[in-house]
Amino acid sequence: DAKTTQPPSMDCAEGRAANLPCNHSTISGNEYVYWYRQIHSQGPQYIIHGLKNNETNEMASLIITEDRKSSTLILPHATLRDTAVYYCIVRGANQAGTALIFGKGTTLSVSS
Amino acid sequence: EAGVVQSPRYKIIEKKQPVAFWCNPISGHNTLYWYLQNLGQGPELLIRYENEEAVDDSQLPKDRFSAERLKGVDSTLKIQPAELGDSAVYLCASSFGVYTGELFFGEGSRLTVL
Repeated sequence: DAKTTQPPSMDCAEGRAANLPCNHSTISGNEYVYWYRQIHSQGPQYIIHGLKNNETNEMASLIITEDRKSSTLILPHATLRDTAVYYCIVRGANQAGTALIFGKGTTLSVSS
Repeated sequence: EAGVVQSPRYKIIEKKQPVAFWCNPISGHNTLYWYLQNLGQGPELLIRYENEEAVDDSQLPKDRFSAERLKGVDSTLKIQPAELGDSAVYLCASSFGVYTGELFFGEGSRLTVL
């Protein structure tokens, strides 16, 4: 699996968009980008994933650059409850059952 | 629908004592994972089950750790004897099918070894 690089921490004002970057310059053609988040004292929670097209769901939007070497997770209107560690993970589509490999992620702090 | 259930939520033991953690995955999920999370780090895989079979246990310290998933549903992770360095959060996750990267995690079991 390709490795990812994320900033260790970010701050965001409540109500503003939070844009979390992830670099995955060694990603290969069949590898997806997954985002998870982990709120304090809870287990990680799946947010969204994508291959090359931008994706949106009720939680967030995922923007993947055309060369697929980086992506951005967007929380359009951050709330205090979005304070968490956000993990960007790259995983191959055909790696049956391959476990997700988590890095240290980005700690997002949302303040009022 | 109930999520992944883990127990106990917290456990404090003295070193050299045994400890066991239990996990009940989401109904219908045939794949089950145990992860270890140290403070300030991301989760690390210990073992993965496909139904009753442990198909990836390469990261499980087999001298003191053991796991089982009888009948392909609930799973138990055991440590015997526990060491100070085992203090961590033990996370259980489940998924439907072997190809998905969408895992559902429990809240974890926090172990403190004194």
